[in-house]
Amino acid sequence: DIQMTQSPSTLSASVGDRVTITCRASQSISNWLAWYQQKPGKAPKLLIYKASSLENGVPSRFSGSGSGTEFTLTISSLQPDDFATYYCQQYNSYSPLTFGGGTKVEIK
Amino acid sequence: QVQLVESGGGVVQPGGSLRLSCVASGFTFSSYGMYWVRQAPGKGLEWVTFIRYDGSIKYYADSVEGRFTVSRDNSKNTLYLLMDSLRAEDTALYYCAKDYAGGNPYWYFDLWGRGTLVTVSS
Repeated sequence: DIQMTQSPSTLSASVGDRVTITCRASQSISNWLAWYQQKPGKAPKLLIYKASSLENGVPSRFSGSGSGTEFTLTISSLQPDDFATYYCQQYNSYSPLTFGGGTKVEIK
Repeated sequence: QVQLVESGGGVVQPGGSLRLSCVASGFTFSSYGMYWVRQAPGKGLEWVTFIRYDGSIKYYADSVEGRFTVSRDNSKNTLYLLMDSLRAEDTALYYCAKDYAGGNPYWYFDLWGRGTLVTVSS
């Protein structure tokens, strides 16, 4: 199985900050990576697919980059609505699909 | 509107069984692969199973292989998860999720339900 490791697990930031979350794969996954946002009590929401493609309707302050084993999700200017937990998911290998452990973005 | 609505969760004793359902609306259910993904209380996301749009291919996580069975009824726009031999570690919120594209799967999810809670406890 491909293991996905996110860092940090918790991040404290202020509105307007630039935020970067890292996701590392235990082996190369090319660019087969998605990012999701989850707010408390809600289902996850797709933000990014294929490492850097922005899902329709997602604000342009979100961006993704990387390939191989190292990936980043960047929020260029953190907004109040962005405080949430973020998960990466690899789909290079369907069996099994695996997620990172999550990064909680908190208000500083 | 486009949505997925899960049901069937509840409290069950270890070793028991439960069947979850997920009703889809607002899109052509029969064209999309579907998934179950679970989240233990306070924990991260874990993929459970996938079923192809026509039901001909199914994959399972090792943790549920041989105990869980995924199925679908395209005439009823409904996805199912039959869970047998339940264990305490199966306690989680179970989400159904839709594949991004119709036909062959893209392996990521663009629509999720709100989830149904399964608690395995004596």
